[in-house]
Amino acid sequence: DQQVKQNSPSLSVQEGRISILNCDYTNSMFDYFLWYKKYPAEGPTFLISISSIKDKNEDGRFTVFLNKSAKHLSLHIVPSQPGDSAVYFCAASVGNNDMRFGAGTRLTVKP
Amino acid sequence: DSGVTQTPKHLITATGQRVTLRCSPRSGDLSVYWYQQSLDQGLQFLIQYYNGEERAKGNILERFSAQQFPDLHSELNLSSLELGDSALYFCASSAAGGRRRGEKLFFGSGTQLSVL
Repeated sequence: DQQVKQNSPSLSVQEGRISILNCDYTNSMFDYFLWYKKYPAEGPTFLISISSIKDKNEDGRFTVFLNKSAKHLSLHIVPSQPGDSAVYFCAASVGNNDMRFGAGTRLTVKP
Repeated sequence: DSGVTQTPKHLITATGQRVTLRCSPRSGDLSVYWYQQSLDQGLQFLIQYYNGEERAKGNILERFSAQQFPDLHSELNLSSLELGDSALYFCASSAAGGRRRGEKLFFGSGTQLSVL
């Protein structure tokens, strides 16, 4: 069952512009959401997270927005840099047990 | 470097065989998670151990089993292998094993299993 969905398998943006990665979920019990970033030949690494009691969390160039009524979250990267090119996974959990991941979105930032 | 070590990095075997994947968590982390990533699929949660005990179970097949040893390293055993078991298997660790909300996981670089 696909409780966390990333419907865009890939995204290409120009350096300096905004990258917006989207994620939808179906389980209303999810109370924590995380984004992970994965480079080739490496494991995913934690990027940013948000609790269900918030609607926005910012960390430098990265901002995550949560819309609980729409069961939707997004990751904004501003400005995008070539080093941001990677696969981004959205993840969600209930109390951090059994964390569910989306299929990932491959971001390419062109110089 | 996440501090999580997985061996081997690559494994090629034949259908019907059995393999063991090994994971050493970050120093001090008590919990180990196993995930499977097939082509174009997200990370499928398989199983979690906390301090030697099974904590949560996901979509793990009966042909697969895992355990966490007293030194906290973990092994994932895959038996009667099928072509569809070819995937990237990730191990992750965390300190408190889910007792803190939003606790992030630290992933190893994975074991690429190819079943021919």
